[in-house]
Amino acid sequence: EPEVTQTPSHQVTQMGQEVILRCVPISNHLYFYWYRQILGQKVEFLVSFYNNEISEKSEIFDDQFSVERPDGSNFTLKIRSTKLEDSAMYFCASKWGATNEKLFFGSGTQLSVL
Amino acid sequence: AQRVTQPEKLLSVFKGAPVELKCNYSYSGSPELFWYVQYSRQRLQLLLRHISRESIKGFTADLNKGETSFHLKKPFAQEEDSAMYYCALGTRKGGSEKLVFGKGTKLTVNP
Repeated sequence: EPEVTQTPSHQVTQMGQEVILRCVPISNHLYFYWYRQILGQKVEFLVSFYNNEISEKSEIFDDQFSVERPDGSNFTLKIRSTKLEDSAMYFCASKWGATNEKLFFGSGTQLSVL
Repeated sequence: AQRVTQPEKLLSVFKGAPVELKCNYSYSGSPELFWYVQYSRQRLQLLLRHISRESIKGFTADLNKGETSFHLKKPFAQEEDSAMYYCALGTRKGGSEKLVFGKGTKLTVNP
C-alpha cells in the first residue's frame, strides 16, 4: 500500500528558530493536511490544503505557520519562530477525494523546542 | 460545537473477552464517523468508517444518531488488538473537510 512519507522523524530546535517539516503525500492524492498531537493530548487539526491553497485552518495555525507545495510532490509545514508550546508530534495526511475518503497518515515528525 | 468524547483513557481486557470502546460526538451537521488505530510505533491508520458498514479485523461500529454514539465493538479480543484507538468525526466547512479526534483509548489485551 502506498505511504505518506515524513522527514525528519525527529527535529530538535531552539526556541525562536525556524523549522520546516517535510512530507511527501501519496502521488495521486489531491487533499493534504497537517495535524499535531501534543504529548498526552488529542490529535488536532492544523490546516487543509487543496488546489494549491489553504482550504481551512484552525486557530492554532497563526501567522507563524505556513504551508507550501513547492514542486507538486512535497508538502511542507514551516514554523517561522518556534515556541516551547510548539513541541508536538506533527502528522501529515493526504487523500484522493473529498468525501468519505480514507485519510492516509504519515508516521509523524516529533518536534522538540528547547 | 464539534466534539468527540472517548470517556475511557485506558481499557484492559483478557484475550477472548468482548471489548467495547465508547465514542460520543457532538455535531450539528450530518455526521461522518471513523475509527483510527495506532499500533505500537506505527502510523495512524483507518480501521473503519460508518458509511462503509464493514467489519475490519472483527471490529464493528454502529452509528446511533439518537444517542450520538459510535462505539467500537469486538466479540473476542486478541492480543494483537492492543493499540491506541481514536474515534474521529468528519466535519465540513464550505468545501473543506477535516477530522475532529477524540483523545483516544489505549486498549490492552492481556493473554
